[in-house]
Amino acid sequence: AQSVTQLDSQVPVFEEAPVELRCNYSSSVSVYLFWYVQYPNQGLQLLLKYLSGSTLVESINGFEAEFNKSQTSFHLRKPSVHISDTAEYFCAVEPTGRRALTFGSGTRLQVQP
Amino acid sequence: DTAVSQTPKYLVTQMGNDKSIKCEQNLGHDTMYWYKQDSKKFLKIMFSYNNKELIINETVPNRFSPKSPDKAHLNLHINSLELGDSAVYFCASQKTGAAAETQYFGPGTRLLVL
Repeated sequence: AQSVTQLDSQVPVFEEAPVELRCNYSSSVSVYLFWYVQYPNQGLQLLLKYLSGSTLVESINGFEAEFNKSQTSFHLRKPSVHISDTAEYFCAVEPTGRRALTFGSGTRLQVQP
Repeated sequence: DTAVSQTPKYLVTQMGNDKSIKCEQNLGHDTMYWYKQDSKKFLKIMFSYNNKELIINETVPNRFSPKSPDKAHLNLHINSLELGDSAVYFCASQKTGAAAETQYFGPGTRLLVL
């Protein structure tokens, strides 16, 4: 079985400040790792994912996440946030051999002017 | 040209009623899912279908019955609605093939049971 923990339910931050959203997981098998974003009243959209290779993955809008196997973490970071980044961010895992995502409880990023 | 669409967007109904939510994807994907998002934003998989066959059923009450008439559609029928069924239901689709393919989500159906 897998579980995903997002310790921060809300992260308020000022515009242009850096931010880190934390994600830890546990699994008895290897997993693939994802970050999805949900803007208000919308469905989820993939932000980035880690399958293998370089442990640092980047999205097109400036977010990056680093896979740390020893700490079973996949924290999401952005060096400078915009108002438009305000959304709910979900960390998720997919175990190898089973096509089903297990999501964390989400972190609400609130960017203030 | 919406990739994954759901109808209705909002559904308000009384306890005990039966209702259906429809999902359609035009991405040519073979795998489709239903997720439930509760009031605390927690997302949990309910079902997955691959080529019209049920693959995953995550111990959902049998009042919930998914139906896949073809690869592009996965509908969710709910019998005898209960207050606890109030949630946002998301449909998603995924290409079968390499591992960890991106799931594409619909806009959600907000169900309120009174």
